[in-house]
Amino acid sequence: SAVISQKPSRDICQRGTSLTIQCQVDSQVTMMFWYRQQPGQSLTLIATANQGSEATYESGFVIDKFPISRPNLTFSTLTVSNMSPEDSSIYLCSVLLAGGTTDTQYFGPGTRLTVL
Amino acid sequence: QKEVEQNSGPLSVPEGAIASLNCTYSDRGSQSFFWYRQYSGKSPELIMSIYSNGDKEDGRFTAQLNKASQYVSLLIRDSQPSDSATYLCAVNRGTGFQKLVFGTGTRLLVSP
Repeated sequence: SAVISQKPSRDICQRGTSLTIQCQVDSQVTMMFWYRQQPGQSLTLIATANQGSEATYESGFVIDKFPISRPNLTFSTLTVSNMSPEDSSIYLCSVLLAGGTTDTQYFGPGTRLTVL
Repeated sequence: QKEVEQNSGPLSVPEGAIASLNCTYSDRGSQSFFWYRQYSGKSPELIMSIYSNGDKEDGRFTAQLNKASQYVSLLIRDSQPSDSATYLCAVNRGTGFQKLVFGTGTRLLVSP
């Protein structure tokens, strides 16, 4: 596995503001992902963070709302822009590690965001 | 129909019993399957992965896959109170790359 850290671990923000979440991994990884987990819900993939190119967004998520950077193979950021209370959620990054028979995703500790 | 379906539970079992968690998926092209455990307020941690039909055992955990029935299960033997958590089934629907779709999870409660 890998050691994955996220900053901040939690934050309380006012509506209309933006928050940038950082994800750092202790080894170089090809693929990093960003997920959202709304209260009482399961994980929903927001986008795949591609190193050196634009992120690949899932249906329902757009770059203007969730801009993502991936400057190198160990780091990525997700910005939640122009926040509303509906953005209150846990945001998780994950990394893909090669396994013997199948590649596997490992998750960071998450960022708990509350928007007032 | 959801891509990955799980009974939300809670599934209550006494300590020492076998807990059986089930998951069905809709995409027949899915190739690999994962079980994650998530404690309240924590991030998901990988328990098992499986990609071939049949059983795969790891300690007290056994994953079972039946691609014809589009069915994945996780058995936990000798359940412990520390196993109480939400178990998420995830299916990789990517072809040549990984794109996980998660079920809503089954909450397991193991009583002493």
